[in-house]
Amino acid sequence: GENVEQHPSTLSVQEGDSAVIKCTYSDSASNYFPWYKQELGKGPQLIIDIRSNVGEKKDQRIAVTLNKTAKHFSLHITETQPEDSAVYFCAAYSGAGSYQLTFGKGTKLSVIP
Amino acid sequence: DTGVSQDPRHKITKRGQNVTFRCDPISEHNRLYWYRQTLGQGPEFLTYFQNEAQLEKSRLLSDRFSAERPKGSFSTLEIQRTEQGDSAMYLCAGSTGQGTFYEQYFGPGTRLTVT
Repeated sequence: GENVEQHPSTLSVQEGDSAVIKCTYSDSASNYFPWYKQELGKGPQLIIDIRSNVGEKKDQRIAVTLNKTAKHFSLHITETQPEDSAVYFCAAYSGAGSYQLTFGKGTKLSVIP
Repeated sequence: DTGVSQDPRHKITKRGQNVTFRCDPISEHNRLYWYRQTLGQGPEFLTYFQNEAQLEKSRLLSDRFSAERPKGSFSTLEIQRTEQGDSAMYLCAGSTGQGTFYEQYFGPGTRLTVT
């Protein structure tokens, strides 16, 4: 089955700086990679995603890059704000007869004002 | 707001008791997923429905767990003879199954504490 590794587990940045979270996956058949933001006591919120036929996708201050050859993908947040503080999860979807998302263990991002 | 609601939000039960959770996705979500999340971990897949058909179950879904989606709308997840190891957040997610069918939208979750 799919295995997703996520690093770092915790990340502290100064407000206004950039944050980068990295994930690797094991199943070369995986073709969809979403990122979720989870605030305390809430369910995961889909913030951006990328499909395997795209190398990069951007949405305002958030961008995701995908390297299929190396089987890794990254989340980039620029101009961080205190409200970006949360736990971020990457996930992978193989789509090959399986409909489940496999998640990383999460990165706790703290943005220091 | 994803439009996916879950009830109850919190449940405290004693070991050995049965519990049932409910998930209400939006009408466009013909696909529905249950995940379990323990402290400090990412969500883990439990089961998946397409309309009323349960198409996939994880090995995590022991025979004490059962899920239904009788009319292809709301879904229930029941845990029988709860154990302390069942303490977790139970998350439900919906997906439209059309166009951007990969996207899964989560509800707020039900936090279960087994004492």
